Amino acid sequence: AQTVTQSQPEMSVQEAETVTLSCTYDTSESDYYLFWYKQPPSRQMILVIRQEAYKQQNATENRFSVNFQKAAKSFSLKISDSQLGDAAMYFCAYRSAAGGATNKLIFGTGTLLAVQP
Amino acid sequence: DGGITQSPKYLFRKEGQNVTLSCEQNLNHDAMYWYRQDPGQGLRLIYYSQIVNDFQKGDIAEGYSVSREKKESFPLTVTSAQKNPTAFYLCASRDRRLQETQYFGPGTRLLVL
Repeated sequence: AQTVTQSQPEMSVQEAETVTLSCTYDTSESDYYLFWYKQPPSRQMILVIRQEAYKQQNATENRFSVNFQKAAKSFSLKISDSQLGDAAMYFCAYRSAAGGATNKLIFGTGTLLAVQP
Repeated sequence: DGGITQSPKYLFRKEGQNVTLSCEQNLNHDAMYWYRQDPGQGLRLIYYSQIVNDFQKGDIAEGYSVSREKKESFPLTVTSAQKNPTAFYLCASRDRRLQETQYFGPGTRLLVL
């Protein structure tokens, strides 16, 4: 079974600085999707960024980028120029591309990011 | 506006009572999901549905039931058999054209009186 591990329960960053959140996963599959979701105090889950395993190029969305290391099964999120609105719980998630019965997101336990002014 | 709505925002359940959480989407997504979130844990899948009139159990389906009579709607019933229902419940839907991304509703907080 696939698992997702976020080893940093809490992180803190100064406003305008850069922070990297770690995520590792375990799978025997070769084709899958990886996601980072943000959950602010409102508790709405918001997609931050996604990555297809077959793409070697790291995904980027404005200030957010990932470092996808397929062989190491690592998928870290880098937030540049951190803003106060970035403060939230961040979840890493995995989804098999096989479809069928394995039709779900598998989540890590989350990293709570604080942004200091 | 297109999106996913959940109601109510807060729900209180008495012992032995069944309660139903609403999830509606106007995104024309085929697949819909229910997740449960407990403190210190990630989301866990309760049920999912890939098409109308079809649904499958997730990892923690015991004590829950669902229906999918319309594409837009996927209500979740928390039955009296669910002994620890206090949690945050999130509904999601998926567009197969967008790299399998799931989009989430705002959630319902269920508390037991």
